[in-house]
Amino acid sequence: EVQLVESGGGLVQPGRSLKLSCVASGFTFSNYGMNWIRQAPGKGLEWVAYISSGSSYIYYAETVKGRFTISRDNAKNTLYLQMTSLRSEDTALYYCARGPLPGFDYWGQGVMVTVSS
Amino acid sequence: DIQMTQSPASLSASLGETVTIECLASEDIYSNLAWYQQKPGKSPQLLIYDASSLQDGVPSRFSGSESGTQYSLEINSLQSEDAATYFCQQHHDYPYTFGAGTKLELK
Repeated sequence: EVQLVESGGGLVQPGRSLKLSCVASGFTFSNYGMNWIRQAPGKGLEWVAYISSGSSYIYYAETVKGRFTISRDNAKNTLYLQMTSLRSEDTALYYCARGPLPGFDYWGQGVMVTVSS
Repeated sequence: DIQMTQSPASLSASLGETVTIECLASEDIYSNLAWYQQKPGKSPQLLIYDASSLQDGVPSRFSGSESGTQYSLEINSLQSEDAATYFCQQHHDYPYTFGAGTKLELK
């Protein structure tokens, strides 16, 4: 069974940093591109970042470019999102998702990030 | 960036009815469109990819179609479990973008 489990969220002050993790199981993690997608409370979905299976290709949404860094450790079956210079508008539930295959076929349960003083 | 304009924002329908949700892409996305269902407190689930291909395990009452840059999700014979918010998403070019969502309520 494919599972994606995010962790690392919490309450953080504006301007501070936070690192999210997503541990994958049930599939060969190193064969798949991965993404972070977020959802502000009561709002829609916003794709944040993508990393290819071997980390050769990385893309970001303009809203996070220069502040967030996506990475992965295939030996640990883990996806990361390093977030710096956090803003109130980064407050959201952050999902990791597999794909595109096309489409994102598996999603984690999400981890909440709240940016507030 | 490619803009996805989704409509309606909400709709209410009865059990057994058929509903259609639409997404208009701001440019040609060459059928690279997915539909997701999200129930309250849950993660989104992929229903359809490549505009009309049904994801494994998704009931056949869900179908997708396209006409130019207009994409549609049709749900036939509505069931109670179909109450959810539905999102479209283009997977043609980065940044991948989503529609704003359609909240489907069952009467």
